[in-house]
Amino acid sequence: GAVVSQHPSWVICKSGTSVKIECRSLDFQATTMFWYRQFPKQSLMLMATSNEGSKATYEQGVEKDKFLINHASLTLSTLTVTSAHPEDSSFYICSVRSPHGTELYEQYFGPGTRLTVT
Amino acid sequence: GQNIDQPTEMTATEGAIVQINCTYQTSGFNGLFWYQQHAGEAPTFLSYNVLDGLEEKGRFSSFLSRSKGYSYLLLKELQMKDSASYLCACLDSNYQLIWGAGTKLIIKP
Repeated sequence: GAVVSQHPSWVICKSGTSVKIECRSLDFQATTMFWYRQFPKQSLMLMATSNEGSKATYEQGVEKDKFLINHASLTLSTLTVTSAHPEDSSFYICSVRSPHGTELYEQYFGPGTRLTVT
Repeated sequence: GQNIDQPTEMTATEGAIVQINCTYQTSGFNGLFWYQQHAGEAPTFLSYNVLDGLEEKGRFSSFLSRSKGYSYLLLKELQMKDSASYLCACLDSNYQLIWGAGTKLIIKP
């Protein structure tokens, strides 16, 4: 399976500041990456689909001006949480979709980034 | 609407067998995934079913019935390390993953 890295693993920031999270696909070029958010004891919630070279597609209810996504290369997508508030504290996970044959729709997940906003 | 149901929590004994069920209603269906997620970690892939039947992979097996909108994950010879959440997810007609809320499996000695 693919190796996906995220940086940082965890971050604590003050309310009102911005935080950037990086997601890298280390094994293959990923034209599509996904950003998820997971609150404690809840399932994954898809925030947006990141497409290389074009604008991200956001899910209903996700503010695109607050969660800025940049997919500038085939191996890197970034999520910037702007003007973070305590309610943005969550576990943010990125994933990449396999481009290969029968694994075509399998998603490989990064290790996640735990964000705490104080 | 789209909906995936699985039990919130299950408890089983080390060495035993446990079956985690998942029922789904989605707009279109292009397969069902099971993922394992340990606390504080990202999900890892366990299985993918798109045709009816049982897929066996070591101690884990996954079953699908498309006509019933039903799947289960079967874990045999349970080990303490199997304590985790198990997520059921379906690919809809747009090939987007629709996630269940996950089943927390607690293994007792």
